[in-house]
Amino acid sequence: GAGVSQTPSNKVTEKGKYVELRCDPISGHTALYWYRQSLGQGPEFLIYFQGTGAADDSGLPNDRFFAVRPEGSVSTLKIQRTERGDSAVYLCASSPQGPQDTQYFGPGTRLTVL
Amino acid sequence: KQEVTQIPAALSVPEGENLVLNCSFTDSAIYNLQWFRQDPGKGLTSLLLIQSSQREQTSGRLNASLDKSSGRSTLYIAASQPGDSATYLCAVRGGSGTYKYIFGTGTRLKVLA
Repeated sequence: GAGVSQTPSNKVTEKGKYVELRCDPISGHTALYWYRQSLGQGPEFLIYFQGTGAADDSGLPNDRFFAVRPEGSVSTLKIQRTERGDSAVYLCASSPQGPQDTQYFGPGTRLTVL
Repeated sequence: KQEVTQIPAALSVPEGENLVLNCSFTDSAIYNLQWFRQDPGKGLTSLLLIQSSQREQTSGRLNASLDKSSGRSTLYIAASQPGDSATYLCAVRGGSGTYKYIFGTGTRLKVLA
């Protein structure tokens, strides 16, 4: 079956602009995670959704970052007033029921803020 | 604050060698630990998931062990192949009340033909 997909694969934007990154999880997976990964580092947790609700958003770095999952499937990560330090690969993962399960990762969106 | 360390940062071995990758974590109150593989420019692929009540998991040529009390996990790869070349990452989920996974920085493995 289809895996986790993320769009766009690459996004280049200018400092101060608004961006949206999309994640389509595996069908039927109720748990969804967002991470970001900088070069040479492991992924850094941002937010965890169980169904439609954000069960843990403790990893969001500041209030410029926001994520939604209105119908419990597709999720959008929104970044306002982008800064050069936001440049990274943003990864999405889903799992069947929750954090006790294996996570399935998407290919990521590479965000570059000029 | 949970910290995850992976040693070595990079490893180069000849094909056929058995090898061990190490992962250590500072807070033993974990819910589970996962090992992942990441190929260049790609997302992560889960290899093994060990729940906190388990000591080890095996899949094919891979075996992962967990010693919570000492804050350590090892990933054993038997009879390494060039196709095993990738970055290997471990991640721990903290105890009750958190869904956050903390990742190490990875071990970059190169298996030479």
